[in-house]
Amino acid sequence: EDKVVQSPLSLVVHEGDTVTLNCSYEVTNFRSLLWYKQEKKAPTFLFMLTSSGIEKKSGRLSSILDKKELFSILNITATQTGDSAIYLCAVRTSGSRLTFGEGTQLTVNP
Amino acid sequence: DVKVTQSSRYLVKRTGEKVFLECVQDMDHENMFWYRQDPGLGLRLIYFSYDVKMKEKGDIPEGYSVSREKKERFSLILESASTNQTSMYLCASSPASVSYNEQFFGPGTRLTVL
Repeated sequence: EDKVVQSPLSLVVHEGDTVTLNCSYEVTNFRSLLWYKQEKKAPTFLFMLTSSGIEKKSGRLSSILDKKELFSILNITATQTGDSAIYLCAVRTSGSRLTFGEGTQLTVNP
Repeated sequence: DVKVTQSSRYLVKRTGEKVFLECVQDMDHENMFWYRQDPGLGLRLIYFSYDVKMKEKGDIPEGYSVSREKKERFSLILESASTNQTSMYLCASSPASVSYNEQFFGPGTRLTVL
């Protein structure tokens, strides 16, 4: 059975802090790993990673994949209150299916 | 922009009622998905469809059925709602291309079964 595990499940930080969110996986037929951000609405796509060691970056957010150790991290630097959200990690395996982790609830306090 | 819409943002039903959740996408995507989202459990796949009139069970199909009569519309049906089906339901769609990984999500329907 495919499995995706995220940690921590929740995190509270102050504005300006840097955070690292973790995602590990055990799946058959790995194709890609995706990160989504979910505020009080539809999850929105952040990154897709397919190759180890190549960092994807968008502003203060960055992510990297390690296919040997089967994990990915999402870094957010200089956090802002607008970063408060649930961050979802998902792995694409067979066909178009995604297997999701539990999500990390991030709260950024002013 | 891809748009996925769901018929209701909030819904309250009674135990035993038949419930229909509707999802429509406007980007001619072949694939459509229904998930439920519960705290600490993440998104779990209920059913998905790769084509019109085609459906496949996801990880938690018990108590649910689906219908896909038109390419743009995917309906989730709770034949006899129960309190343990109180949850957030998310619909998603994606193109059929094997090189395309992202799924596009609707805003969700928060269903409460009393």
